[in-house]
Amino acid sequence: EVQLVESGGGLVQPGGSLRLSCAASGFTFSNYWMHWVRQAPGKGLVWVSRIYSDGTGTKYADSVKGRFTISRDNAKNTLYLQMNSLRAEDTAVYYCARESQYSNSHDHWGQGTLVTVSS
Amino acid sequence: QSVLTQPPSVSGAPGQRVTISCTGSSSNIGAGYDVHWYQQLPGTAPKLLIYGNTNRPSGVPGRFSGSKSGTSASLAITGLQAEDEADYYCQSYDNSLSGSVFGGGTKVTVL
Repeated sequence: EVQLVESGGGLVQPGGSLRLSCAASGFTFSNYWMHWVRQAPGKGLVWVSRIYSDGTGTKYADSVKGRFTISRDNAKNTLYLQMNSLRAEDTAVYYCARESQYSNSHDHWGQGTLVTVSS
Repeated sequence: QSVLTQPPSVSGAPGQRVTISCTGSSSNIGAGYDVHWYQQLPGTAPKLLIYGNTNRPSGVPGRFSGSKSGTSASLAITGLQAEDEADYYCQSYDNSLSGSVFGGGTKVTVL
């Protein structure tokens, strides 16, 4: 069974940093592109970032470019999101999601981890 | 403001058919990229409902169907059931943004 389990969320002050992790199991992690998607309280889904299966290629939404860094450790089956210079508008539930090998859909999602940026 | 446009809400009585539209542009749906749909039940993570415009993953009931034409796509729910009350999101790829794009979400209410 495919499982994605996020961790690392919490309360952080504006300007602070946080690193999210997503532990993957039940599939060959190194074969899949992975994404981070966030959802602000009461709002819709917003794509944040994507990384190639081998970690060589990354893309970011304009809203986080230069502040967030996506990475992965295929030996540990873990996806990361390093978030720096956090702002109040980064407050959201952050989901990691697997990209299907047959389409660019997100075929499996984690349960999410809440990041709250507030003083 | 989301790149893909969905109606904020739709409603229907049990057993009825409802449709949700998803309108994009020439850099996403109109460029030929597939549209995918997700269902998000209250307090849970999104779940893939339709992929590649019309395909249902294993386990998704046949009352859910998708279509795509031009710069738009639609999700239809026939034989609406109480358990279908949820938020629904469309998603595609945008070549000007070089990333996934989502609709703003549509809340389906079963009357």
